[in-house]
Amino acid sequence: DQQVKQNSPSLSVQEGRISILNCDYTNSMFDYFLWYKKYPAEGPTFLISISSIKDKNEDGRFTVFLNKSAKHLSLHIVPSQPGDSAVYFCAASVGGTSYGKLTFGQGTILTVHP
Amino acid sequence: DGGITQSPKYLFRKEGQNVTLSCEQNLNHDAMYWYRQDPGQGLRLIYYSQIVNDFQKGDIAEGYSVSREKKESFPLTVTSAQKNPTAFYLCASSMLGIQTTQYFGPGTRLTVL
Repeated sequence: DQQVKQNSPSLSVQEGRISILNCDYTNSMFDYFLWYKKYPAEGPTFLISISSIKDKNEDGRFTVFLNKSAKHLSLHIVPSQPGDSAVYFCAASVGGTSYGKLTFGQGTILTVHP
Repeated sequence: DGGITQSPKYLFRKEGQNVTLSCEQNLNHDAMYWYRQDPGQGLRLIYYSQIVNDFQKGDIAEGYSVSREKKESFPLTVTSAQKNPTAFYLCASSMLGIQTTQYFGPGTRLTVL
């Protein structure tokens, strides 16, 4: 049972344009969501997170939107840069836990063309 | 510099041998985690630990074992009972508390021949 899904395996975007990465979840108990960026053969790097009490969180070029009723979150990267090319994972955790056990999506490969 | 180290970066073992992957952190985090990543898949949780001398099974613990004798260290042993051990293994750590962020090490690529 895949509780966190990234339905687009890949996304290709032109440099300077907006990249929109999507993530859907099924467990209504999730209350904290994170996005990680990962290069091949390296560990994921934390990008941005959002609590379920918010619907938007911004950090520089990265903005995460949360739609709780649709159980959907998205990551917007504006403007996209070639260095943003990587695999992006969304992850979620259930509230009330003291250790933040994460459930990950399958990842979306983002390619930003110069 | 604070961070998480995993060694070695690449590891080769013969089928039937146990192998131990190292994970050390100097972030003073209480919680540590082991994940496995296979091609085209997300990260799957193997084991996690909130405190020294205590750990819990994750979603895919069969064929793996861990220990947590020190706060800084959380080694993972891939035993011969693990049916498909070839994978990319990632260690992470976090502070305790709700809505905490996990930080990852660089990973170890294990290939069983």
